[in-house]
Amino acid sequence: EIVMTQFPATVSVSPGERATVSCRASQSVGSNLAWYQQRPGQAPRLLIYGASTRATGIPARISGSGSGKEFTLTISSLQSEDFAVYYCQQYNNWPRTFGQGTKVEIK
Amino acid sequence: EVQLLESGGDLVQPGGSLRLSCAASGFTFSSYAMSWVRQAPGKGLEWVSIISGSGGSTYSADSVKGRFTISRDNSKNTLYLQMNTLRAEDTAIYYCAKDKTGVVAATYVDYWGRGTLVTVSS
Repeated sequence: EIVMTQFPATVSVSPGERATVSCRASQSVGSNLAWYQQRPGQAPRLLIYGASTRATGIPARISGSGSGKEFTLTISSLQSEDFAVYYCQQYNNWPRTFGQGTKVEIK
Repeated sequence: EVQLLESGGDLVQPGGSLRLSCAASGFTFSSYAMSWVRQAPGKGLEWVSIISGSGGSTYSADSVKGRFTISRDNSKNTLYLQMNTLRAEDTAIYYCAKDKTGVVAATYVDYWGRGTLVTVSS
């Protein structure tokens, strides 16, 4: 199974600043990578698929990049609603696997 | 609007059984693969099982293989997860999730339900 490793585990950012979350796959997943946001007490929400394509309704301040084994989620100019946990997930191989999550918290 | 409403979560003893349901609306249910994904308390996400739109193909994680069975009734727009021989480590919120396509392939989840809590404890 492909192991997805996210880092850092927690990132502290002030509102209006940029947050960057990294995700590394144990083997290449091509561009078959998605990012999800989970706010406290809520279900996950799709942000990015195909490594860099924003899902419907996702603001332009949220972007994804990378391919192969290395991926990045960037949230520029953090808003209050962006403080949450973010998960990467590969869907190139079975089973689909998630990273352990990165918490973006208010500094 | 896509809506996924899970039900059936409960407190059950180790070794017991439970069936989860997910009522879907707002899309052509039979055209899309569906998954169950779980989240243990305070932990990350773990994909559990997936079924194709027709119901002809299924895959499950090794951790539940032989114990959990995913199925669907396209006439009722409902997804199921039959959970047998439950263990304490199966305690989690179970989310119903809609895939982007109808086949079990390299595709992603685009909508999630709000989840139902399963607690396995004596």
